[in-house]
Amino acid sequence: DGGITQSPKYLFRKEGQNVTLSCEQNLNHDAMYWYRQDPGQGLRLIYYSQIVNDFQKGDIAEGYSVSREKKESFPLTVTSAQKNPTAFYLCASSRDNVGGDGYTFGSGTRLTVV
Amino acid sequence: KQEVTQIPAALSVPEGENLVLNCSFTDSAIYNLQWFRQDPGKGLTSLLLIQSSQREQTSGRLNASLDKSSGRSTLYIAASQPGDSATYLCAVKGGGSGTYKYIFGTGTRLKVLA
Repeated sequence: DGGITQSPKYLFRKEGQNVTLSCEQNLNHDAMYWYRQDPGQGLRLIYYSQIVNDFQKGDIAEGYSVSREKKESFPLTVTSAQKNPTAFYLCASSRDNVGGDGYTFGSGTRLTVV
Repeated sequence: KQEVTQIPAALSVPEGENLVLNCSFTDSAIYNLQWFRQDPGKGLTSLLLIQSSQREQTSGRLNASLDKSSGRSTLYIAASQPGDSATYLCAVKGGGSGTYKYIFGTGTRLKVLA
């Protein structure tokens, strides 16, 4: 079955450490997205990519970085510059980034700073 | 700038009741609207996707309507069951700046009592 796989499910980060969250899809979707979810807030867009080797900043990109070297993969790195990284991170994909398509989401990664 | 609001934030109902969840958005120039379900600690599961040209979509006990002119969508759940307990999110694509990205509401947390 096609879908989106996020790993790990839980991740713990020490102060000053960079960590990378994995997102892989086998849906043959062109567009991929990273969202952050905090209690009581809606999902906020971190980065998105419409095509391989291209990506754009979302609303809260500071302290994060991404790459899109393969169509199937869109890893997110949470850098030490992100001062409040504890959150639930969700990856999504869509066939493209134009009007009609909806999103498919992964199961999420919960990141905690220790 | 598109804003999405969901009211109420939480709802508790007895099993078997029919219920309506509300979603409102500020800019009617949308491409589509998607309803999601989220279980605690999990990713988002797509329930229904309504294109801007459509008035409603149905899947099983779920029916979603869209009134673009008034900036509103409703998710109707018939004969609610304890298994329907989850957070329901609506997301709107488009509006204002012509963005192809979704803007999410903060969700309605539903509890169906046995």
